[in-house]
Amino acid sequence: DQQVKQNSPSLSVQEGRISILNCDYTNSMFDYFLWYKKYPAEGPTFLISISSIKDKNEDGRFTVFLNKSAKHLSLHIVPSQPGDSAVYFCAASATFGSGTYKYIFGTGTRLKVLA
Amino acid sequence: DTEVTQTPKHLVMGMTNKKSLKCEQHMGHRAMYWYKQKAKKPPELMFVYSYEKLSINESVPSRFSPECPNSSLLNLHLHALQPEDSALYLCASLGTPGQKLFFGSGTQLSVL
Repeated sequence: DQQVKQNSPSLSVQEGRISILNCDYTNSMFDYFLWYKKYPAEGPTFLISISSIKDKNEDGRFTVFLNKSAKHLSLHIVPSQPGDSAVYFCAASATFGSGTYKYIFGTGTRLKVLA
Repeated sequence: DTEVTQTPKHLVMGMTNKKSLKCEQHMGHRAMYWYKQKAKKPPELMFVYSYEKLSINESVPSRFSPECPNSSLLNLHLHALQPEDSALYLCASLGTPGQKLFFGSGTQLSVL
């Protein structure tokens, strides 16, 4: 039962263009969403997050959009740079029991930015 | 300082060995997590400690035993592992406000 899905396993984009990574979730209890960048054999690096009370959050080249009714979020990277090439995971968080947050990760999208 | 430190970075162990993974953070975070990641898969939640108490155990086999000696330290004790337990083991701590999960660089474990 994959509650958080990234339907595109891979994406190739030309340098300077926009990269759009998508993520869908099924559990309406999720109230916080995050994007992480990951290299092999390393820990995920936090990029940007959004609360369920917002529909957009921007930080430099990264913008996250949330569509609660569609249970969909997306990460836009503009302009894309070769150094952005990595695997990107979305994650969704819900409160569990006595205030503990449970984070579920999506299946990942490998982004390749071509020079 | 947003650093979560994991040791060792690499570990090779036999199926009869006992070993421990260590995770440390000095950011004052009160929740710490263990995740397991196999190649080409997402990180999979194993355990969550909140205020030094185990609050989530995702039905992890007993050959994995977590321990939280204090608010800065999280251990994962390993005993009688199987080759299929070979994976990258990730520790994370929860920063507030903002519910951001900060990860360490992981321990790459190989069970022979």
